[in-house]
Amino acid sequence: DQQVKQNSPSLSVQEGRISILNCDYTNSMFDYFLWYKKYPAEGPTFLISISSIKDKNEDGRFTVFLNKSAKHLSLHIVPSQPGDSAVYFCAASAQAYSGAGSYQLTFGKGTKLSVIP
Amino acid sequence: NAGVMQNPRHLVRRRGQEARLRCSPMKGHSHVYWYRQLPEEGLKFMVYLQKENIIDESGMPKERFSAEFPKEGPSILRIQQVVRGDSAAYFCASSPPNSRVETQYFGPGTRLLVL
Repeated sequence: DQQVKQNSPSLSVQEGRISILNCDYTNSMFDYFLWYKKYPAEGPTFLISISSIKDKNEDGRFTVFLNKSAKHLSLHIVPSQPGDSAVYFCAASAQAYSGAGSYQLTFGKGTKLSVIP
Repeated sequence: NAGVMQNPRHLVRRRGQEARLRCSPMKGHSHVYWYRQLPEEGLKFMVYLQKENIIDESGMPKERFSAEFPKEGPSILRIQQVVRGDSAAYFCASSPPNSRVETQYFGPGTRLLVL
């Protein structure tokens, strides 16, 4: 049972254009969402997060949007740069709940982003 | 400040052998988490440990897998009698106590291949 879904395995974008990566979740207990970036042969690196009390969080070129009613979030990268080429993982946790929900991260399968110079 | 270190980075085992994966957390971090990434899948939580304590092993397979985090030394994930289905990337993360979930810093992973 996949609770976090990234339905696009790959995405190609021209340098300078916008990259939009999508993520859907099914577990209503999730209230905190994170995006990670992963280069080959490295571990995931935290990129940006959003709490369910917000619908948008911005950090430089990266913006995450959350639509709670649709159980959908997206990561926008503007402008895209060749160095952004990596696998992007969406992850979720249940912060409002004590115990396992607060520290267990549930990951999607990832989307491989290729930014073409 | 060195990041999370994992060794070996690559490990090849034949079916039935044992695999030992090591994780040294970041300095000042006393919490360790292990995740497994099967081919074409996302990372899945396996176990959460603090020094000398297993806090949550709900994601660990019931047999052949064990984890420890001794008072001294690295955390060890041990897989006995490996099978081909154990081939995966195993990631360790560490965090300081009482921290937010995004402060789990991941190591580079150990790629286990079972022949």
